Amino acid sequence: GEDVEQSLFLSVREGDSSVINCTYTDSSSTYLYWYKQEPGAGLQLLTYIFSNMDMKQDQRLTVLLNKKDKHLSLRIADTQTGDSAIYFCAVRNSGGYNKLIFGAGTRLAVHP
Amino acid sequence: NAGVTQTPKFQVLKTGQSMTLQCAQDMNHNSMYWYRQDPGMGLRLIYYSASEGTTDKGEVPNGYNVSRLNKREFSLRLESAAPSQTSVYFCASSARDGYTFGSGTRLTVV
Repeated sequence: GEDVEQSLFLSVREGDSSVINCTYTDSSSTYLYWYKQEPGAGLQLLTYIFSNMDMKQDQRLTVLLNKKDKHLSLRIADTQTGDSAIYFCAVRNSGGYNKLIFGAGTRLAVHP
Repeated sequence: NAGVTQTPKFQVLKTGQSMTLQCAQDMNHNSMYWYRQDPGMGLRLIYYSASEGTTDKGEVPNGYNVSRLNKREFSLRLESAAPSQTSVYFCASSARDGYTFGSGTRLTVV
């Protein structure tokens, strides 16, 4: 089945850029998503990208997709303390109706 | 506010007790899902419902049952709770541009 992998932890200094990486196995995945989870809260959709795109930019967020390597990344420019959260990569499973497969999540810690 | 509403937010059960987690969405989405979240394991799909009247097993369905009561509501039932079911449970509904999640139910089985 589909597998989605992320590193579990990233620490950055406030004002620097953060890059969170994700790899997946299903080359036929059509939609790829980034979600943010703050402590004690549900998941909030940050952005998504279609598989026919290489890049998507939305204010401080830049998503890069390398289909050949099955690699997805989320870059957060000018990282702030409010960006501290867990970030989940998710891909739409081509084998099931709208099912999303999630990575384990990357905990982003922003320090002064 | 439009979205996904889950109840209860917190619950403590004794081993062997039963309970139902409720979920309702008001976005007219066809598809609804139940996930559990455990530390270091991300979200794992328990059951999903592609449309009213249909339900299917996900990755970790054992010990759970679901009911898609109508288009709005999708409930998750634990018939005989076990400590391994201690987790945070999320309900979600979906459109093409992604899922909308509820705020979660933190369940502890002792």
